Amino acid sequence: GAVVSQHPSRVICKSGTSVKIECRSLDFQATTMFWYRQFPKQSLMLMATSNEGSKATYEQGVEKDKFLINHASLTLSTLTVTSAHPEDSSFYICSASSQGGTEAFFGQGTRLTVV
Amino acid sequence: AQSVTQLGSHVSVSEGALVLLRCNYSSSVPPYLFWYVQYPNQGLQLLLKYTSAATLVKGINGFEAEFKKSETSFHLTKPSAHMSDAAEYFCAVSDSSYKLIFGSGTRLLVRP
Repeated sequence: GAVVSQHPSRVICKSGTSVKIECRSLDFQATTMFWYRQFPKQSLMLMATSNEGSKATYEQGVEKDKFLINHASLTLSTLTVTSAHPEDSSFYICSASSQGGTEAFFGQGTRLTVV
Repeated sequence: AQSVTQLGSHVSVSEGALVLLRCNYSSSVPPYLFWYVQYPNQGLQLLLKYTSAATLVKGINGFEAEFKKSETSFHLTKPSAHMSDAAEYFCAVSDSSYKLIFGSGTRLLVRP
């Protein structure tokens, strides 16, 4: 199957700073990427959908100014958590799909801890 | 709107016993259905998917699921549980846009 690489796998940052998470499709062109958040012992909640070259579509209740998503190329999308607070601590997972494909492929996830 | 319900947040079975994880879906369009497995602090691994072909879908690691439209179900089964099957399992539904709606997850515990 196709490979999606997410980096970093773990990050600890101070409250008030910003953190960038990268999601790369290694062997296919990802026309669409999705960002999910997973709180401990809970399911994955879709945060936003991004299409290459256009603005991301955010789900209801997700602050677009706090979670900045950039999908500047067909192989890379980034999620920047701005002015992070402890309540932003979570597991963030990206997935990517290609035009005409039948499934989305997931990255390994990023464990963000804000202290 | 699409939604997924997974009955049972925890399922415990003995090693060698049948595994049955339940999933019911709601969708206004013909759905794509998926089962994923997640190990601690890791991403999701696709076990199997239903995309309107055969209703009985075989996946990796001996898992399979049957799509039953009349029951709006897509239950996951495995004839004989292994210790390595202990993990969190998520059922998900999608339209053709690959935007996945996940169930709440079921933690599978396998007793020796």
